[in-house]
Amino acid sequence: QKEVEQNSGPLSVPEGAIASLNCTYSDRGSQSFFWYRQYSGKSPELIMSIYSNGDQEDGRFTAQLNKASQYVSLLIRDSQPSDSATYLCAVKGDSWGKLQFGAGTQVVVTP
Amino acid sequence: DVKVTQSSRYLVKRTGEKVFLECVQDMDHENMFWYRQDPGLGLRLIYFSYDVKMKEKGDIPEGYSVSREKKERFSLILESASTNQTSMYLCASSFGDRASPLHFGNGTRLTVT
Repeated sequence: QKEVEQNSGPLSVPEGAIASLNCTYSDRGSQSFFWYRQYSGKSPELIMSIYSNGDQEDGRFTAQLNKASQYVSLLIRDSQPSDSATYLCAVKGDSWGKLQFGAGTQVVVTP
Repeated sequence: DVKVTQSSRYLVKRTGEKVFLECVQDMDHENMFWYRQDPGLGLRLIYFSYDVKMKEKGDIPEGYSVSREKKERFSLILESASTNQTSMYLCASSFGDRASPLHFGNGTRLTVT
């Protein structure tokens, strides 16, 4: 069974601090990696995509990928209360385009 | 922007009813998916389709069927709704390559009484 693992949290982060989320995956052939944000009662929203080793930055978000260690991480800088949500790690490996999702990490940003 | 539209935001049905959930995307995506999401269980894939009239079972297809007669439309059918099918249902679509992410609709919260 191909798996994507995340800590469920909640991860409590003071406002203005950096939130660090981690994700590990089991399928060494995985090619594409995504982070989704999901507010309570809403659908997942794509916030980051990363395809090669290293860092990918978009505003306050940085995704990091290490294929040798099979982990992908998400950093949220200058965390805001509006960042309070569940963050889903998703990994794509096979040709039909299915994503394997982690269970999600709940982030709570406290003022 | 990609738009994935699910026909209903909230739906209440009775046990034994046949239920249709409709999903339409406007980006000419090859792939379409149906997930359900329950607290503590995460996102679970019910069915997906990679082309018109093509379908593949996901992880939990029992009690469901799907239809894809046109590229932009993917329907989920609950043949005989049961209370354990009360859930949030999410439709998603993507291009057929390995790099494309999924884009989700707003979801349908189905309650079966």
